[in-house]
Order: sequence, then structure tokens, then C-alpha cells
Amino acid sequence: AQKITQTQPGMFVQEKEAVTLDCTYDTSDQSYGLFWYKQPSSGEMIFLIYQGSYDEQNATEGRYSLNFQKARKSANLVISASQLGDSAMYFCAMSQREGSSNTGKLIFGQGTTLQVKP
Amino acid sequence: DSGVTQTPKHLITATGQRVTLRCSPRSGDLSVYWYQQSLDQGLQFLIQYYNGEERAKGNILERFSAQQFPDLHSELNLSSLELGDSALYFCASSSRWLGEQFFGPGTRLTVL
Repeated sequence: AQKITQTQPGMFVQEKEAVTLDCTYDTSDQSYGLFWYKQPSSGEMIFLIYQGSYDEQNATEGRYSLNFQKARKSANLVISASQLGDSAMYFCAMSQREGSSNTGKLIFGQGTTLQVKP
Repeated sequence: DSGVTQTPKHLITATGQRVTLRCSPRSGDLSVYWYQQSLDQGLQFLIQYYNGEERAKGNILERFSAQQFPDLHSELNLSSLELGDSALYFCASSSRWLGEQFFGPGTRLTVL
């Protein structure tokens, strides 16, 4: 069964430092997508970064990068130069097909709460 | 702003009632997904529509139903509401399968 595991319920980081949020996934499919979303206390889900299973390069979006290690089935999020506004819950998610249908439903991990200290 | 809109933002109702949540996807996106976020279950996929047709179903209760209209907006109907249905309901849209999904602001449902 497909599964996303985030083993860090909560993390602290000092402002301006880098932080890595861990994510491992389990799938037997060859085609899938990996995502990170940010959920601040206001509740909205903000898309941060995407990595396709066939992408050879690690995805980067500004201060966010995804450390994709396919053999280890890990997709860790690295946030560089943390800012106070980065304090939020972060979710790792995976999308994959279901049978022969073109569905990309997302399966989410339990989330990691990140607190940035001034 | 993701470009996905959801109404209403908050909904308070009583057990046994029925409510309708509305979602408008980003311009050009044909796929609409509904998710439920609760404290005990986390974020769970409910149902997906693609260009008006149901494409996938997740852990959606029989009391819940959805549809996608010709203008691509979608509605999630929740009936015979129970206390446990209190949750944050998200709609997301996507232009490509397996690709990024952009979430609306959510509807926070409280069942009293």
C-alpha cells in the first residue's frame, strides 16, 4: 500500500539557518509525484515544491529544495535561510495513478510542525 | 492566492442537517479533488472529478456526494451530519495528473 511517513512531529530551527524535514514514501509504482505543502496556522494549504519520479535533478523553488533519493524512497525538504514566516505545519505528499485511470489523488504524511526561533 | 475558490469559509450547523460546499477550480484546470482534514484522521482524499466525470473515490462516506458541473465548478454535499464530520474540507485543482494540486482556502465545518 502507498504510504508517506514523516517521522518528525515537531522541529525547531534558528532564524537564518537551514533545516531539513524528513519524508519517506512507499510505492511499487514507477510513475509518481512527490510534493511538499505548507499549512500556516491560518489553515490554507500552500504548494511549495514538486518532484516527478523520473526527474533526475532535485527540484528547487527559491529557498526550498527537495532532496530526492529514489533508491532510499526519500524526499526530504530543505529550507535554507529560515524566516519567522516559515513557522507552520509541513506536509509531504505523493500522487500516483490508480489502476489504469488518470487520477493523481494525494496521499499525505502526518505532518511536521516547524518553529523558527528569532 | 492559489486561484481556487471555496465557499463558504465557515459553516456551523446541527447534527442531522445537510450542507453544500462549493469549489471553483483554477482557470483551465479540469481535475477537482476534495480532501478532508480532521485531527484524528489527518488529510484524507475523498473524491476526484475530471471534466465532469467521477474519476476516483477515497474514504468518502455514503452520506457524502459530489458532482462537477459543465462550467467545472464542483459541489460536495454532506447529509445527515454527525459530530465527527466536523473538519476542514479542501478542494484542489490540477491541470495534469500526477502533477501539482493547488488548494482552495478550505471550508471549516462545525457540526454541533
